[in-house]
Amino acid sequence: QVTLRESGPALVKPTQTLTLTCTFSGFSLSTSGMCVSWIRQPPGKALEWLALIDWDDDKYYSTSLKTRLTISKDTSKNQVVLTMTNMDPVDTATYYCARIGSQGLYFDYWGQGTLVTVSS
Amino acid sequence: SYVLTQPPSVSVAPGQTARITCGGNNIGSKSVHWYQQKPGQAPVLVVYDDSDRPSGIPERFSGSNSGNTATLTISRVEAGDEADYYCQVWDSSSDHHYVFGTGTKVTVL
Repeated sequence: QVTLRESGPALVKPTQTLTLTCTFSGFSLSTSGMCVSWIRQPPGKALEWLALIDWDDDKYYSTSLKTRLTISKDTSKNQVVLTMTNMDPVDTATYYCARIGSQGLYFDYWGQGTLVTVSS
Repeated sequence: SYVLTQPPSVSVAPGQTARITCGGNNIGSKSVHWYQQKPGQAPVLVVYDDSDRPSGIPERFSGSNSGNTATLTISRVEAGDEADYYCQVWDSSSDHHYVFGTGTKVTVL
């Protein structure tokens, strides 16, 4: 059974750095083709893809946010970490981690999401 | 940047058919995936690779893709189908490699 769970602060101040952790089970990120992504959704708005890390430790970022994002993985802990620097109120959103399986370019399993509010 | 355009809302009576479109430049050349998101919940994959269904998704959900439009069709709509629906493609040239549509709210009358 594949599960993913996001964890991190619910509230961050403007200019601070956000660190989110995705802890997963039911698959290994060392298996060829496996990837984990971060996606966010501002309240009442659409989904926005942020970053992806694959089994080979290749990393991909949204071009518009690339300078602020870092994604990494700890395969032994089954965790993927996303950091986002210089947080702003417009970054207020629910942040999801999701898996891309080895068979496609779609997100087949999602975490429940974690709401991050940016406010002073 | 690749853009996917969906109608903001679709209304349908129970038992009828809902069709949700996803427009994009030559989208027929890409694989389109669809997600259902109920209020306060994470998205759930309902159709992948244009027309395939994950295990556990009812046959009432089907998809097609041609030209500049992909379509998610929900047959025999039930009250439990009321949700937001998002299309998604992968586009290597886009700022966001994984591009989501603008979303469609399906209301069951």
